[in-house]
Amino acid sequence: DTEVTQTPKHLVMGMTNKKSLKCEQHMGHRAMYWYKQKAKKPPELMFVYSYEKLSINESVPSRFSPECPNSSLLNLHLHALQPEDSALYLCASSQVSGVGANVLTFGAGSRLTVL
Amino acid sequence: QQQVKQSPQSLIVQKGGISIINCAYENTAFDYFPWYQQFPGKGPALLIAIRPDVSEKKEGRFTISFNKSAKQFSLHIMDSQPGDSATYFCAAYQAGTALIFGKGTTLSVSS
Repeated sequence: DTEVTQTPKHLVMGMTNKKSLKCEQHMGHRAMYWYKQKAKKPPELMFVYSYEKLSINESVPSRFSPECPNSSLLNLHLHALQPEDSALYLCASSQVSGVGANVLTFGAGSRLTVL
Repeated sequence: QQQVKQSPQSLIVQKGGISIINCAYENTAFDYFPWYQQFPGKGPALLIAIRPDVSEKKEGRFTISFNKSAKQFSLHIMDSQPGDSATYFCAAYQAGTALIFGKGTTLSVSS
């Protein structure tokens, strides 16, 4: 299995809602990532988990809360978002070290619209 | 902020032509240079990658040329096809840090 699966594919939420994005991989990768991508822009790193521990937080607002319940799952909890948070949210995974550490496998993304 | 500068922003190529996308970097500690291809509505997918001890890598119609002294690398797509129409991101990686992406190039191959 060489896939990263993200759900939901599309999400529309109001500014007062609480929702979650989910990501799953079964490639045995122990590094997992959340990226945010605006239209016609490169992916922007938000968080990195390494061995289920948060290793990088790129100064992301606290209305985004990541969680890594186990080595295969990654969640992004969303609360009190702003319309400017509307974007494609991408999950990725990789090996933690060695030659595979720099080879990211991305999911198809969750398209988030905040009204 | 470490940067990877990518050009052009957009590119239109005739079917069968050669598409060339260029990237430049400053940090000599980067040791891995991948190219990602992204179709609309999909996540980026690794296309081809090179390490700085190699000057060229070819996989099918896709070739990376790497110039270490100039700190530049480029993607060449030979015999470009309409199915190659996508956004291409160059990137650079230094061990222990996160991947740095270029701003992307939108390629349109006209039939």
